[in-house]
Amino acid sequence: GDSVTQMEGPVTLSEEAFLTINCTYTATGYPSLFWYVQYPGEGLQLLLKATKADDKGSNKGFEATYRKETTSFHLEKGSVQVSDSAVYFCALSLRSGSYIPTFGRGTSLIVHP
Amino acid sequence: DGGITQSPKYLFRKEGQNVTLSCEQNLNHDAMYWYRQDPGQGLRLIYYSQIVNDFQKGDIAEGYSVSREKKESFPLTVTSAQKNPTAFYLCASSPGDKKETQYFGPGTRLLVL
Repeated sequence: GDSVTQMEGPVTLSEEAFLTINCTYTATGYPSLFWYVQYPGEGLQLLLKATKADDKGSNKGFEATYRKETTSFHLEKGSVQVSDSAVYFCALSLRSGSYIPTFGRGTSLIVHP
Repeated sequence: DGGITQSPKYLFRKEGQNVTLSCEQNLNHDAMYWYRQDPGQGLRLIYYSQIVNDFQKGDIAEGYSVSREKKESFPLTVTSAQKNPTAFYLCASSPGDKKETQYFGPGTRLLVL
């Protein structure tokens, strides 16, 4: 079946450090890929998405590139802030059937001043 | 502003009691979903509904029930048959034309007394 694997957290960084959170996927079809963010005590928010190979999604300084050859969608940010501390979820959705996303387990990011 | 509301923010359940979690959306979205979130386990799908008066079981439907009598509302009942209900419950919706992107409410935390 379809699955998403994320690096385990927590990821702990100092402010202004470079961030990478790895995400790889397995899918029977040709999925769209997503990153969602969950701040403490809140629901998830869509951070960025990409719908085809080599597309780059970007938002709020975060970027991720859809790599079909390596089945990956790694999240990056050049300079993190304390306010980026949250849990990040990678997800995929096949563009057919129910469209229900498959989520990874989430990666907690902690940014220290 | 359009969005998804969930109430209450915190809910306490006594042994043998049924409790109902509210989810309302004013986004005019066709599909609605309920997820359960436990620490370190990501999101697990409980039920989903793609149209009024119709719903399907997700991966962990046992001990839960839902109804979809109105497009805007998708309440979840946690029954006494659910033996381990303590979790964070998230409601989501998606539009008819972009089903793969989900919009989440702020969540309800259910605790057992």
